[in-house]
Amino acid sequence: DQQVKQNSPSLSVQEGRISILNCDYTNSMFDYFLWYKKYPAEGPTFLISISSIKDKNEDGRFTVFLNKSAKHLSLHIVPSQPGDSAVYFCAASAPFGNEKLTFGTGTRLTIIP
Amino acid sequence: NAGVTQTPKFRILKIGQSMTLQCAQDMNHNYMYWYRQDPGMGLKLIYYSVGAGITDKGEVPNGYNVSRSTTEDFPLRLELAAPSQTSVYFCASSYSGAPYEQYFGPGTRLTVT
Repeated sequence: DQQVKQNSPSLSVQEGRISILNCDYTNSMFDYFLWYKKYPAEGPTFLISISSIKDKNEDGRFTVFLNKSAKHLSLHIVPSQPGDSAVYFCAASAPFGNEKLTFGTGTRLTIIP
Repeated sequence: NAGVTQTPKFRILKIGQSMTLQCAQDMNHNYMYWYRQDPGMGLKLIYYSVGAGITDKGEVPNGYNVSRSTTEDFPLRLELAAPSQTSVYFCASSYSGAPYEQYFGPGTRLTVT
């Protein structure tokens, strides 16, 4: 039972354009959501997060949007740069869960120069 | 700070052999985690620890054991390696308390033949 889903395994975007990565979840207990970025042969690195009390969080070129009623979140990257090419994982956490994260399957983003 | 370190980077095991994957962190984090990532899949939690002497099972613990004798170290033991354990293993740590960002090591790629 995949509680966090990333339905697009891959996405290609022209450099300078907006990249939009999507994530859906099924567990209504999740109250904190994170995006991680992973380069080949490296561990995931934290990118941005959002609490369920917010619907938007911005950090430079990265913005995460949360729609609780739809159980959907998205990551916007604008403008996209070649260094953004990586696999992006969505993750979620529930309260009193010992900070355990449930990860999606990832979306491979390729930025075309 | 070295962050989270893992050894070895690569290992090939024969079926039935055993080995220990090492993980250490120097950030004084209480929480530590072991994940595995299979091709095209997200990260699945194997075991986690909320402090020295305390460990608990994650989503996919069968075939593995862990111990946490110090805050810094969290080794993962495979007793009877099976081909199904071929995967990339990531260790992570986090500071107890929100936010729930986890810091990951570079991973160990294990092949069981």
